[in-house]
Amino acid sequence: EPEVTQTPSHQVTQMGQEVILRCVPISNHLYFYWYRQILGQKVEFLVSFYNNEISEKSEIFDDQFSVERPDGSNFTLKIRSTKLEDSAMYFCASTFGQGIYEQYFGPGTRLTVT
Amino acid sequence: AQKITQTQPGMFVQEKEAVTLDCTYDTSDQSYGLFWYKQPSSGEMIFLIYQGSYDEQNATEGRYSLNFQKARKSANLVISASQLGDSAMYFCAMTLFSSNTGKLIFGQGTTLQVKP
Repeated sequence: EPEVTQTPSHQVTQMGQEVILRCVPISNHLYFYWYRQILGQKVEFLVSFYNNEISEKSEIFDDQFSVERPDGSNFTLKIRSTKLEDSAMYFCASTFGQGIYEQYFGPGTRLTVT
Repeated sequence: AQKITQTQPGMFVQEKEAVTLDCTYDTSDQSYGLFWYKQPSSGEMIFLIYQGSYDEQNATEGRYSLNFQKARKSANLVISASQLGDSAMYFCAMTLFSSNTGKLIFGQGTTLQVKP
């Protein structure tokens, strides 16, 4: 069964450093998302991406964040200058269509900012 | 703005018994979808079941069923014949069809512990 993959599984970085989280969505999916989950809390929407552009972003997704789909298969989330409060699990998700279609989640990248 | 509320932070159930996890939602939209996801301790998010706002019948998927009460804006998950492997965090989520993004809004989650 096809699956969403994410690398790395765990990233430790120092405050102020740039990080890039990578995702490979399911190949025939058209809609891509990043969510984050601070430890023990709910999953929060960050950004959605369709047709090579951001379709919606949350208030969390400020100028420090950016997303790219550089080569038609990878989908990346970049945090330019990490803060302690960016420590969280970051999930990539993809789906074929909106609404009735389930989103398939990757296993997540645990980001720890020290 | 839309919101999902899960009022049970933690639940216990005896193995082989049924359990209901509560979910209420708030939206003025008429067209929406409701999802339940399971998050085991390993961290991945596993899709369980979906209910559309216009679906007349409650959704079922194996041991999972969704008790959808539209007037009360509730979408409770029922797990029948609980198994030890059902111990996990469970999230209720909603998407609005009017959104052009399909983003999911999640509740706070309920931790379920199945006792042998």
